[in-house]
This record gives sequence, C-alpha cells and structure tokens, in this order.
Amino acid sequence: KAGVTQTPRYLIKTRGQQVTLSCSPISGHRSVSWYQQTPGQGLQFLFEYFSETQRNKGNFPGRFSGRQFSNSRSEMNVSTLELGDSALYLCASSLRMKRGTSTDTQYFGPGTRLTVL
Amino acid sequence: AQSVAQPEDQVNVAEGNPLTVKCTYSVSGNPYLFWYVQYPNRGLQFLLKYITGDNLVKGSYGFEAEFNKSQTSFHLKKPSALVSDSALYFCAVSAFYGNNRLAFGKGNQVVVIP
Repeated sequence: KAGVTQTPRYLIKTRGQQVTLSCSPISGHRSVSWYQQTPGQGLQFLFEYFSETQRNKGNFPGRFSGRQFSNSRSEMNVSTLELGDSALYLCASSLRMKRGTSTDTQYFGPGTRLTVL
Repeated sequence: AQSVAQPEDQVNVAEGNPLTVKCTYSVSGNPYLFWYVQYPNRGLQFLLKYITGDNLVKGSYGFEAEFNKSQTSFHLKKPSALVSDSALYFCAVSAFYGNNRLAFGKGNQVVVIP
C-alpha cells in the first residue's frame, strides 16, 4: 500500500507570498494532520482534518489554513509568508474509524521543505 | 495540556550494546504514547505505541518500550544497537479523547559507533 505523499518536496518563496502544500493520505485513511518542524520549536501541531472538517487546531496565526477534499486529500495554505515560516511541513494520516479516539497511529509523509527568503 | 520531555540531546552507544532513549510525559487522563524515528531528509517513521495493557510494548526493528505510570516514563530500548539505528528519535503523547493531536518531545539524536 502506498504511503503518505506530499508535494512539492521543496519550495522556495519570498516574504509576502503565499504557498499551498498538498498531501495525499494512505488509501482508506480519513484523517489528515499537519505539523511544522523547525530546529528551534521542534514539531508543532498545526491542524487536523477529518470528513472535510477541521477538528483540531494548534496555536498558529490565521495565516495558516487548510482544507480537506472528499477523497481525504488535504492542502494547507500559508499566506503572507514570513522568514520564520521556513520549516519542514509534515502531513500525517490515520484511519480514524472510531469517532472520538486518540489512539490511531499517525503515518507521516516525507514532508515539504519550505524556505522563505 | 500534554507535554513530553526527552532530557538528553544526544545518545552515543557502541554497536552491539544496549540502547536506551528516555522519555517522560505529562498529561491529564490516560496517556497514549508513541515513538517515531526520523532519518535525514525523511518524514517520521512509526516504531511503536502504548495504548493500554501490557507495560512492555514491542515494535518494529527490534525496538521495545516500557511504560511506567508511577514514573510517567516511556523509555525506548533496543538490546543490541546497529549502526543503521543512528537517527533522530521522537517520543509523542496524545491524551484527550477525540483529539488526534500529538505533542512531541524535542527529539534525541542517537549515534551508534561502529
């Protein structure tokens, strides 16, 4: 079974621009979560989508947004990019067959490396 | 809020020796604990998880972890380390029922010396 795929793998943008990252979950997985990884802050939760609805949100400004499509694929968008947005953005998918559980294993994609100049 | 502490920045171990990576957690309610490994320029790879039941959890690639509720710890272990085990290891906790949000530790760099 194919794993989580993320596109593009690498991206270079300048301050003030916006960017859209894409994530395709493992087939049959219904939940997609996004994380930001930086050397200073480590791995931080951005948000989770399940059944095309945002279920949880981390402590990030409104410039960070996302959506999920009916086939469970997800995109995240960052508007008005800042230098501090340079990071590895990781997407993770999980089954989420049982509503309300926190025990599903999340499987991660390879990430998108975003560099803001 | 849930949190994880991984007290050591780097763990050095000789090939063939036992490997231990430490993790302590803080959470309200029942903890759901996970270990992931990250190789350079790659995403996180799932190793094992503790949900309930036996305190000793066995995972991929010969790794295991021991859950200790009284010490709020979930240390990762491997009886005999390989050079290929050199990587960045993350402990994570999920706590709230209905919340798929993982809180990660800062990670431990493991270096296995040939």
